[in-house]
Amino acid sequence: NAGVTQTPKFQVLKTGQSMTLQCAQDMNHEYMSWYRQDPGMGLRLIHYSVGAGITDQGEVPNGYNVSRSTTEDFPLRLLSAAPSQTSVYFCASSYTTGGRGYTFGSGTRLTVV
Amino acid sequence: GENVEQHPSTLSVQEGDSAVIKCTYSDSASNYFPWYKQELGKGPQLIIDIRSNVGEKKDQRIAVTLNKTAKHFSLHITETQPEDSAVYFCAASIGNAGNMLTFGGGTRLMVKP
Repeated sequence: NAGVTQTPKFQVLKTGQSMTLQCAQDMNHEYMSWYRQDPGMGLRLIHYSVGAGITDQGEVPNGYNVSRSTTEDFPLRLLSAAPSQTSVYFCASSYTTGGRGYTFGSGTRLTVV
Repeated sequence: GENVEQHPSTLSVQEGDSAVIKCTYSDSASNYFPWYKQELGKGPQLIIDIRSNVGEKKDQRIAVTLNKTAKHFSLHITETQPEDSAVYFCAASIGNAGNMLTFGGGTRLMVKP
């Protein structure tokens, strides 16, 4: 039982490049979310999903796309990377609503130069 | 939307002393308040949570208190140990609102042996 798996752990991008951050969970959780963590700002919600085929925007969605074709996977796409997207990204999944029962992945540290 | 403020941003205590971290929230509809511990290089882990129909909850050396009228909640750690050193985050959510947690900015707790 791996929980929430994020890949890659580290990534360096050049401004303007695109990439996909992968997130997979093996707990059959319906609810999944992406957060970014910046110093002194806690974690801010980017996008979330309440089930396969259903996604919605969080607090800071600009510059990011998501899709949820299966229950297990919730990839986050950066369309055209900018230095402001340098951050640590966390994926989380839950069996219920309202942020309860979150299990977080170990994060992806992204640097955009 | 919801806004969560967390204080202090850093806290240094001697081993065996108590540590208190305080958070305030803005949305009176929030009804779920978890606390997360994040160790270096890892994702946040839930350590305790409280719902709005409860004023206090304890789990061994950890306790959380909630004052709904004042819209603030606190984490209390007694008999601190070096392994308690980490970054702690408070959060708040409206229990039936999708999958959204709003986090505080975090507190770096250092326990000196």
